[in-house]
Amino acid sequence: ETGVTQTPRHLVMGMTNKKSLKCEQHLGHNAMYWYKQSAKKPLELMFVYNFKEQTENNSVPSRFSPECPNSSHLFLHLHTLQPEDSALYLCASSQDLGLEQFFGPGTRLTVL
Amino acid sequence: DAKTTQPPSMDCAEGRAANLPCNHSTISGNEYVYWYRQIHSQGPQYIIHGLKNNETNEMASLIITEDRKSSTLILPHATLRDTAVYYCIVRVASGANNLFFGTGTRLTVIP
Repeated sequence: ETGVTQTPRHLVMGMTNKKSLKCEQHLGHNAMYWYKQSAKKPLELMFVYNFKEQTENNSVPSRFSPECPNSSHLFLHLHTLQPEDSALYLCASSQDLGLEQFFGPGTRLTVL
Repeated sequence: DAKTTQPPSMDCAEGRAANLPCNHSTISGNEYVYWYRQIHSQGPQYIIHGLKNNETNEMASLIITEDRKSSTLILPHATLRDTAVYYCIVRVASGANNLFFGTGTRLTVIP
């Protein structure tokens, strides 16, 4: 595969479940991002990693836990989510911070 | 980063040029104008960016006014697949890491 891939594409989970979202980029980029897109709201930046180091946590609740084991992979671990966390979660990457970002297709998350 | 203002929606006939305006009157000298689009249920897609000069690539052209307070994205021959929400974003380049997408312009290409 090329570009930025995300799995799963769709996820339904209960409030007591633990799940993880996965993002992989095949572009050789150094920076990776998690965004949240709720219905009828602008994209919200959640986390930024540069060379595997977290550079930004945009006041995200601790029930969202990111992990970046290497520059190609990014995870978002989810636990005890709320129904209002239902949204499209988008991963992006860029060659370096500040350059154009390439987005994955997103994971559509529904919390029951 | 400077704020941008875009019309909420526009229609364009298939095969015609789509001209999407963006106002960014508070833009700073070191801020670039970026355009992204998001087709329904997909991730945003980078289109083009520029600083002062007009830019063109295989997807679109970007026209920036001389005072840099506004710009226009031009899709020269719109197709039905160009129906999407188009976001104009103003930001500094290297070192910055945030893209504030705003609400964008919903472009509908009509057959």
